[in-house]
Amino acid sequence: GAVVSQHPSWVICKSGTSVKIECRSLDFQATTMFWYRQFPKQSLMLMATSNEGSKATYEQGVEKDKFLINHASLTLSTLTVTSAHPEDSSFYICSASGGAAYEQYFGPGTRLTVT
Amino acid sequence: EDKVVQSPLSLVVHEGDTVTLNCSYEVTNFRSLLWYKQEKKAPTFLFMLTSSGIEKKSGRLSSILDKKELFSILNITATQTGDSAIYLCAVDHYTGNQFYFGTGTSLTVIP
Repeated sequence: GAVVSQHPSWVICKSGTSVKIECRSLDFQATTMFWYRQFPKQSLMLMATSNEGSKATYEQGVEKDKFLINHASLTLSTLTVTSAHPEDSSFYICSASGGAAYEQYFGPGTRLTVT
Repeated sequence: EDKVVQSPLSLVVHEGDTVTLNCSYEVTNFRSLLWYKQEKKAPTFLFMLTSSGIEKKSGRLSSILDKKELFSILNITATQTGDSAIYLCAVDHYTGNQFYFGTGTSLTVIP
């Protein structure tokens, strides 16, 4: 089956620093990747959709300058949380799709803690 | 504005009970509704529903979609402690490839 990895699985950083999270599709080409954020005991909130080679489309209320998304290849998308603050602490999950939208394969998630 | 709402938000039952989880939606250009189970990490796929009235079944889990009333239910019979998880429904639509997730239902099954 399709496998999606994320790195790192958890990260602790200081307030004001930037953190990069990678999402890779390991055995298929992901034309579209999605980034979600999840607060404890809450559902997934879609942050942005990225298509390989083009700019990401951000959901309403998500700051594009704060959450930089790059989808430079068909197997890699990155999310950079710039100038992180404690309120950015969350669980970030990516998913990848090779075609049909319902075939979204989720990564294992990255837990970010900003101190 | 597209909206996906699940109920109840949380549920505690005893092993052996049957539970019904609800998902209602208001989404333009609806294409499909999906159910996921989330334990520690990423959600795992359960069902995808596109047609009304056709039950999908997998072991003790089953799900059905009503496109007229805009809702779906997920049934779990003879619950086990391993069913404890957050159950998410997501809706996919034709105008984009995005999923919109519902609020989730946290299910706890106690022995």
